[in-house]
Amino acid sequence: DSGVTQTPKHLITATGQRVTLRCSPRSGDLSVYWYQQSLDQGLQFLIQYYNGEERAKGNILERFSAQQFPDLHSELNLSSLELGDSALYFCASSASLGGASEAFFGQGTRLTVV
Amino acid sequence: AQTVTQSQPEMSVQEAETVTLSCTYDTSESNYYLFWYKQPPSRQMILVIRQEAYKQQNATENRFSVNFQKAAKSFSLKISDSQLGDTAMYFCAFMKPNDKIIFGKGTRLHILP
Repeated sequence: DSGVTQTPKHLITATGQRVTLRCSPRSGDLSVYWYQQSLDQGLQFLIQYYNGEERAKGNILERFSAQQFPDLHSELNLSSLELGDSALYFCASSASLGGASEAFFGQGTRLTVV
Repeated sequence: AQTVTQSQPEMSVQEAETVTLSCTYDTSESNYYLFWYKQPPSRQMILVIRQEAYKQQNATENRFSVNFQKAAKSFSLKISDSQLGDTAMYFCAFMKPNDKIIFGKGTRLHILP
């Protein structure tokens, strides 16, 4: 158990809908990352938050948004969903601002858009 | 921009053999971190080993060790006495301080009984 909790584990929704993925980082970790992994693909970086503030942004679509709350949990919002958004979405956390600390990953949320 | 390249999409080895997974990266930074992550069929991402660029000594974790060649920008993973449970996708990853983790496309490793 990495200590990073993601909910829900599985999500099936229709095209055009909006969903929210939730991530609780390890206790004490200030940095949260979101990654997208499509079938048999590598991990694409979406966005990073540090202590409530956006720190880095990757290839995140405008239909997607995220935030980190004062209690450090984070949510990834995906709207106007398309079939191509079906993927495994990972959240990871690390203690520092990505310096000397490796990232620990949650078990992921498997999103299926039908 | 930093890039991570894993040139072996798939590999198969017999149980108990030693296998080496290759990884090269491109960066102009002098201070950074390198990782190998394992993703078994459960899809969980598990950290296998990490290396700080400022350390010359290669990292070792039980049966897993790395060959870090900073000048060549190479970071290979050696798995000794391979076990069936080592079957997984392995990702090489790069991170500079205060930045995101960049992953390679992965090497799918099959350990054969």
